[in-house]
Amino acid sequence: DGGITQSPKYLFRKEGQNVTLSCEQNLNHDAMYWYRQDPGQGLRLIYYSQIVNDFQKGDIAEGYSVSREKKESFPLTVTSAQKNPTAFYLCASSGPPGTALEGGYTFGSGTRLTVV
Amino acid sequence: GESVGLHLPTLSVQEGDNSIINCAYSNSASDYFIWYKQESGKGPQFITDIRSNMDKRQGQRVTVLLNKTVKHLSLQIAATQPGDSAVYFCAETLNTGFQKLVFGTGTRLLVSP
Repeated sequence: DGGITQSPKYLFRKEGQNVTLSCEQNLNHDAMYWYRQDPGQGLRLIYYSQIVNDFQKGDIAEGYSVSREKKESFPLTVTSAQKNPTAFYLCASSGPPGTALEGGYTFGSGTRLTVV
Repeated sequence: GESVGLHLPTLSVQEGDNSIINCAYSNSASDYFIWYKQESGKGPQFITDIRSNMDKRQGQRVTVLLNKTVKHLSLQIAATQPGDSAVYFCAETLNTGFQKLVFGTGTRLLVSP
């Protein structure tokens, strides 16, 4: 079955540490996205990538970094520069740019990051 | 700028009632709208969508209404069930070039048995 997989489901980070969240998709989608969700709030865009080896900052990119070396993978690193990283992180993907966005994005099941 | 907003942060209904979740959007050029359902601790799931050339899309229990005159979108759920309890997000996009969804804040639907 095609889908988008995020790992781990739960992640604990000590202050000052960098951590990397994994996102893998086998939907053959070109575009991938990272969102942050705080309790009781909506989705805020961190980074997105339209195609391999290219990515753009979203609305809240500070303290985060990404890479897109493979079409299937779009890992997110939460750096020590992110002062309030505790949140629920969602990865999503969508079809080729320039095509009709049928059904919107496909989302992963999320990673809950907690700073301890 | 683009924004999508919701009128009610929480909606509480009794099982069997009909639910209506509202959404206002600000970009009159948006031509594609999606509703997502997000259960606790999970990612959003696609429920339904509607294009701007339609004003209503009806499914088995779910109906989407689009009023472009006042830039308003609503999601109607008939005979609401406890399994419908979740947060519902609307999203809008321009269907040209790279499509980036703009998400609303979300409405929490609570269904009491």
